[in-house]
Amino acid sequence: GAGVSQTPSNKVTEKGKYVELRCDPISGHTALYWYRQSLGQGPEFLIYFQGTGAADDSGLPNDRFFAVRPEGSVSTLKIQRTERGDSAVYLCASSPEGNSGYTFGSGTRLTVV
Amino acid sequence: GQQVMQIPQYQHVQEGEDFTTYCNSSTTLSNIQWYKQRPGGHPVFLIQLVKSGEVKKQKRLTFQFGEAKKNSSLHITATQTTDVGTYFCAGPKAPGYIPTFGRGTSLIVHP
Repeated sequence: GAGVSQTPSNKVTEKGKYVELRCDPISGHTALYWYRQSLGQGPEFLIYFQGTGAADDSGLPNDRFFAVRPEGSVSTLKIQRTERGDSAVYLCASSPEGNSGYTFGSGTRLTVV
Repeated sequence: GQQVMQIPQYQHVQEGEDFTTYCNSSTTLSNIQWYKQRPGGHPVFLIQLVKSGEVKKQKRLTFQFGEAKKNSSLHITATQTTDVGTYFCAGPKAPGYIPTFGRGTSLIVHP
């Protein structure tokens, strides 16, 4: 597609529930990143994919967070047993390679109630 | 770990005034990126600087990378209301190149 697409744009879930957030990167971009952004803060790195593999997952806060990119394009960020502190905007970005300017999607605003 | 610090956190200006935001790192950076995020929007890539002492211009925006590659600045000449937003710098997370973002500088332009 023309840009990075993220769905849903908004997600409200109850504490303890499981959620999946989807990212469809720009076609042909091999590098894909997940960030999350809380109000008044800069984006916080979560995980980086190069192709199908997670090249760096050091930003995932704990084992409730997991992400996959099985065919090297679409990626899904999965959060188990959601907590109120998980509420944030989850941003996905892609780039042609690993070290060039990144194109961000519009994000998924996750609210855990 | 490596962090990039940005100052100021907020800046109010009258339309037509200049604006500068500064980005500082405790470690040498291989590159620095700048992004703009409009209120309610997502970060949009503006530029990447790689060379020591590099200066790049985009219309009224001037980006500079320090000689020691530990600091950078973004200067906007004669601000307009369309410049409103938060400006982020991002330096690569060692040992690789995943961008680590500062807290940003929010620019408010009063007409």
